[in-house]
Amino acid sequence: AQSVTQLDSQVPVFEEAPVELRCNYSSSVSVYLFWYVQYPNQGLQLLLKYLSGSTLVKGINGFEAEFNKSQTSFHLRKPSVHISDTAEYFCAVLRYSGNTPLVFGKGTRLSVIA
Amino acid sequence: DVKVTQSSRYLVKRTGEKVFLECVQDMDHENMFWYRQDPGLGLRLIYFSYDVKMKEKGDIPEGYSVSREKKERFSLILESASTNQTSMYLCASSRVGYGYTFGSGTRLTVV
Repeated sequence: AQSVTQLDSQVPVFEEAPVELRCNYSSSVSVYLFWYVQYPNQGLQLLLKYLSGSTLVKGINGFEAEFNKSQTSFHLRKPSVHISDTAEYFCAVLRYSGNTPLVFGKGTRLSVIA
Repeated sequence: DVKVTQSSRYLVKRTGEKVFLECVQDMDHENMFWYRQDPGLGLRLIYFSYDVKMKEKGDIPEGYSVSREKKERFSLILESASTNQTSMYLCASSRVGYGYTFGSGTRLTVV
């Protein structure tokens, strides 16, 4: 079975500062990796995904993530955050093979302070 | 623009009522899912379906049932609503091996 650990439940950061949201996963099989964002009172929106190829993945809104297989991590980064980035962020894994559901982490609430 | 549509954004029901939450997708996706989201607990999978008339239990199926009579529609049923089912309910759909597209969610309050 797969599991996902988001190491920080809340991350406060000043506007225009860099941010890293940490995600570690556990799986005995190969997986795809995803980051989703949820703005207040909305559903989840795909931010970026790693399926194969380059380990550095670029997503929407200036976010990027790096897949590190040896450390089983998929940390999300942005060099300069905006107030509008305030949201909850979810990391998720999906098995390569078989038709099994996404497994989500518990989320990290990013609060950007002016 | 592809969509997953949940019929209600906000819903208030009384304890003991039978509650139907509807979800429709227009992407011809095989898979559909129901999650509930609670503060500090993240997203927890209630039920999912890989095909019409098929259903699989997720992590927290107790007190819920589902129906998928057509490929595009996946309904979540609370047989007898209770206050501990007050939550945000999220529907999603996907193709096999791909990430999900989510609906906007239904915030259900049971009083």
